[in-house]
Amino acid sequence: AQSVSQHNHHVILSEAASLELGCNYSYGGTVNLFWYVQYPGQHLQLLLKYFSGDPLVKGIKGFEAEFIKSKFSFNLRKPSVQWSDTAEYFCAFSSGGGSQGNLIFGKGTKLSVKP
Amino acid sequence: DTGVSQNPRHKITKRGQNVTFRCDPISEHNRLYWYRQTLGQGPEFLTYFQNEAQLEKSRLLSDRFSAERPKGSFSTLEIQRTEQGDSAMYLCASSMTGVHEQYFGPGTRLTVT
Repeated sequence: AQSVSQHNHHVILSEAASLELGCNYSYGGTVNLFWYVQYPGQHLQLLLKYFSGDPLVKGIKGFEAEFIKSKFSFNLRKPSVQWSDTAEYFCAFSSGGGSQGNLIFGKGTKLSVKP
Repeated sequence: DTGVSQNPRHKITKRGQNVTFRCDPISEHNRLYWYRQTLGQGPEFLTYFQNEAQLEKSRLLSDRFSAERPKGSFSTLEIQRTEQGDSAMYLCASSMTGVHEQYFGPGTRLTVT
């Protein structure tokens, strides 16, 4: 079955610490990969995406993610977090090609950044 | 703001009542998706439309759930005979065919008492 596993339920960091959130997906074909972020009281927003090409993708607010096909992984990184990064982060994928495009989400990782 | 909008934002209903939610997608987007999110989980896909055609509905949770998009613009999601287990956030997203990212609305939070 298609699924996404996010390894950490809740991560607590101090400002300026580095961040890496793990994400592994289960699907044998071509995928489109996404990280969405939900800030407190706001709706889901796209943070970054990977469709093809360079496996290292950069998103908004200094976030980046690396697609490692052999590991079915798409981990999210940020070298130095800020208090304003406090949010819930969701990894998701859709199957590639001419699919219907529905997203399969992980359970999310809550990030708390201490000032 | 021309993002995805959803109404109502909150709905409290008694068990057994019917509820209907509305989603207005970004105007030029022809694909529209409905998801459900429960506490501690990521969004779960329910159904999707391309223009007015509902192309996938097998993921709807039961035959009490139905969705329409009669003119290919806004969509409604109806839940008949609500149950306490239907309490969740119902999310709508839209995209354009061939463009993979989806844009989400703020959701409708349903509470069934």
